[in-house]
Order: sequence, then C-alpha cells, then structure tokens
Amino acid sequence: AQRVTQPEKLLSVFKGAPVELKCNYSYSGSPELFWYVQYSRQRLQLLLRHISRESIKGFTADLNKGETSFHLKKPFAQEEDSAMYYCALSGTGRRALTFGSGTRLQVQP
Amino acid sequence: GAVVSQHPSWVICKSGTSVKIECRSLDFQATTMFWYRQFPKQSLMLMATSNEGSKATYEQGVEKDKFLINHASLTLSTLTVTSAHPEDSSFYICSATGRDNYEQYFGPGTRLTVT
Repeated sequence: AQRVTQPEKLLSVFKGAPVELKCNYSYSGSPELFWYVQYSRQRLQLLLRHISRESIKGFTADLNKGETSFHLKKPFAQEEDSAMYYCALSGTGRRALTFGSGTRLQVQP
Repeated sequence: GAVVSQHPSWVICKSGTSVKIECRSLDFQATTMFWYRQFPKQSLMLMATSNEGSKATYEQGVEKDKFLINHASLTLSTLTVTSAHPEDSSFYICSATGRDNYEQYFGPGTRLTVT
C-alpha cells in the first residue's frame, strides 16, 4: 500500500526565514511525487513535481529515495507563501494521487 | 491554464434523497477524472477514477452503488450520492487530466450537507 506522511500540521515562520515542509512516503515501486498548494479560499493547484526538477515560486523539493522523502524547501519565506501544502504520490502507471494530511504554513511579518 | 468547474458549490439535502454533483473541464478534454472526498481538517481521499466512456474504478471501501459516477463525455463527469445520510456530509472535489498531460487540474469542490 502507498502512504504519504506529513508530520507537521502547522509550521509557523517569520518572513525571510527558511522553510522546510517535511514529506515521507512509502511505496514499493517507483513513485512520482508532487507538492500541491491551496491558498485561502482557492482550489488545489500543483506547485511542483519531482520529475520536472523545477523551482516554482522559490520552492524546491528533492526526491531522496534512500530516506523515502520529498521535503519542500524555500530559503526565504514570504507572507504570500502562507497556505496549505499537500504532498502527494502517484504509483507506477497510475495517475490517481495519494495525499498526505497537509501542512499549514503561516509566514508572519 | 486548464480550468475545472464544479456545480453546485454547496448543497444541502435531506436524509434519504439523492444529490448530483457535476464536474466539467472547461477548456480541455478530460480523458480521466478523479473524485476525492475531504473531511474537515483532513486530507483528500481518492474515491474513484473514471475514464471517459467506461465504468469508474472505485477505491477500496467506497460503495459504488452509493456513489454513482458517470463520465459520459470528455468534458463532464457526475457524482451522484444516492440515499444520502448525514455521514455523507463532506467536501467533494474532482480533478481532471487531459490526454497528453499528466497534471491533475482540480475543481473548487462541492460542500454537501445532509440533514
């Protein structure tokens, strides 16, 4: 069975501080990992996926297969980064997503 | 970008009645649509995957006779909650992917309250 774990329900940082939202997964094959973001009163939207290795809005995430982790990082948090962040996984040959429980990021001025 | 809409955004129904939720892809052809359920302060749980023109694939524990999914066209999928009960009250979210695009585009969700 596949599982995504986000251990922090809430992460509060000050503006300009580094941010790391943790995500660990369990999956027996080769998963594809994603980070989705949900801003207040908005729908879920894709932030980044590990295959593309992009940096979106200053966020990066590296897939560590040894530690089965896909932590989301940003060196300098901005107030507009305040949102709910979900880590998600799709299994080999499947597009359906398994979501973690989400972490609410609060960036204080 | 690709847009997915849901209708209604909020619905209240009485116990025992059925309610239909629509999910539409507005500017692309959605070969696959997904239905998720989200309880308050919890994550999204996949209910079913539907491919256009074929029967939906339900996740374990999801009653297919209770949650009827139809994906009759490349732009529309419907979820019908039959004989609704208060425990069916939840936030239902759909997403869609196109033929050549792996990314899932999410709808804004439908809040169902069963009284």
